[in-house]
Amino acid sequence: GESVGLHLPTLSVQEGDNSIINCAYSNSASDYFIWYKQESGKGPQFIIDIRSNMDKRQGQRVTVLLNKTVKHLSLQIAATQPGDSAVYFCAENIKEYGNKLVFGAGTILRVKS
Amino acid sequence: NAGVTQTPKFRVLKTGQSMTLLCAQDMNHEYMYWYRQDPGMGLRLIHYSVGEGTTAKGEVPDGYNVSRLKKQNFLLGLESAAPSQTSVYFCASSRDRGKTDTEAFFGQGTRLTVV
Repeated sequence: GESVGLHLPTLSVQEGDNSIINCAYSNSASDYFIWYKQESGKGPQFIIDIRSNMDKRQGQRVTVLLNKTVKHLSLQIAATQPGDSAVYFCAENIKEYGNKLVFGAGTILRVKS
Repeated sequence: NAGVTQTPKFRVLKTGQSMTLLCAQDMNHEYMYWYRQDPGMGLRLIHYSVGEGTTAKGEVPDGYNVSRLKKQNFLLGLESAAPSQTSVYFCASSRDRGKTDTEAFFGQGTRLTVV
């Protein structure tokens, strides 16, 4: 989803369905991307990462797709579970004075039982 | 192995007061970061450090200062707190990306309220 003003976009899915969370990144020189999950009251937790020389990477129940042409990243969660409910952020590593990790706006994922 | 530890967890300040947030990591990471997160928004990078003795500005550095005197510690200072600095602050650390790709590990956050 696209960020609207100060409100995070929300994706609601039924338990067991697949979820797709999208992210647009800003810098064409970014060489490394990470998806984080943040549960209420906690810090972000690593989910999966991908380097810019790849276009797909799979983990356990998650897949990240990278389209460098349009600077787009997506996170696919298979068989979404109630425990997947959280805010999801993509982050890009920008090579500027070393490496700078910059986050996107985030998407709220709500899983309906 | 404690990972990334932030001190304090909560703080209320009056406008104009100063304070320092401490971040400590025990993973021998080169990179450390300070972010702020406001309600309904993502994390915005305040300052970061690529190694002991180095600091650099992030996206929203104004009103904050940082120091990295020791590799394991990254301090965030507010010299004269303003209500606009009410936020949740997260510290993170990661290995030198020149060696291997690695994610950043985050602390549990510091909830700061400026009244």
